Amino acid sequence: EVQLQESGPGLVKPSQSLSLTCSVTGYSITSNYWGWIRKFPGNKMEWMGYISYSGSTSYNPSLKSRISITRDTSKNQFFLQLNSVTTEDTATYYCARGSTIGFAYWGQGTLVTVSS
Amino acid sequence: DIQMTQSPASLSASLGETVTIECLASEDIYSNLAWYQQKPGKSPQLLIYYANSLNDGVPSRFSGSGSGTQYSLKINSLQSEDVSIYFCQQNYDSPPTFGGGTKLELK
Repeated sequence: EVQLQESGPGLVKPSQSLSLTCSVTGYSITSNYWGWIRKFPGNKMEWMGYISYSGSTSYNPSLKSRISITRDTSKNQFFLQLNSVTTEDTATYYCARGSTIGFAYWGQGTLVTVSS
Repeated sequence: DIQMTQSPASLSASLGETVTIECLASEDIYSNLAWYQQKPGKSPQLLIYYANSLNDGVPSRFSGSGSGTQYSLKINSLQSEDVSIYFCQQNYDSPPTFGGGTKLELK
C-alpha cells in the first residue's frame, strides 16, 4: 500500500525558509510524479510543483523562484523548500503522488504557520 | 492558468437525497477532470477521474459527468458519511488547478 507522510517544522518565521520532507513507503519515487499541494485557510487549494520519476521538476509559476523540490531516492523521500515566506504561506501542506488521472495518494498533511 | 469555478460553495441536504455539484472550467479541459472528497481532519481522497471514471473502492452512489468546460458530481442517496468538502481539479494543463470547494452538510 502506498503511504506518504509529511514532516517538518510547524512554525516558521517570516522571511525564513520552509522545509518539509515527504517519506514514501510501499512505492518507489523513481516511478510516477511526486508533488506538493497546499490548502489555505478558507479551502483554497494550490498545486505547488512536482518532481518526476527521472528527477525533473515542474513548479507553479505563481511561486516563481521561491520553490525547490528535491529528492533522496536512497531514502525514498522528497523535499520541499519554500524561501522568503510570508504570513500568506500559512497553510496545510500535503505531499501527493500524481499521475494523468490526478492525485490518487496523499499524505495526512502538515500545518505550517508563518509567524514571528 | 485554467480557472475552475465550483458551485455551490455550500450545500445542505437530507439523508437519502440526491445532490449535484458543478464545476466550470475557463476553457475546454477535454474531460481531464478529477473530483476529491475531503472529510473533516483528513486528506483529500480521489473519487472520480477523467470526469466519469470511479476510483477503486468508491461507492457507486458517486458519479461524474460532463465534457468541454462543464462538469458535475452527483451523489445519490446521501449518507451521513458523505459529509465532506468536495473539490474538482483539472489535469489538462499545467499548473493543475482546483475549484474553490463545496462544503456538504446534512440538513
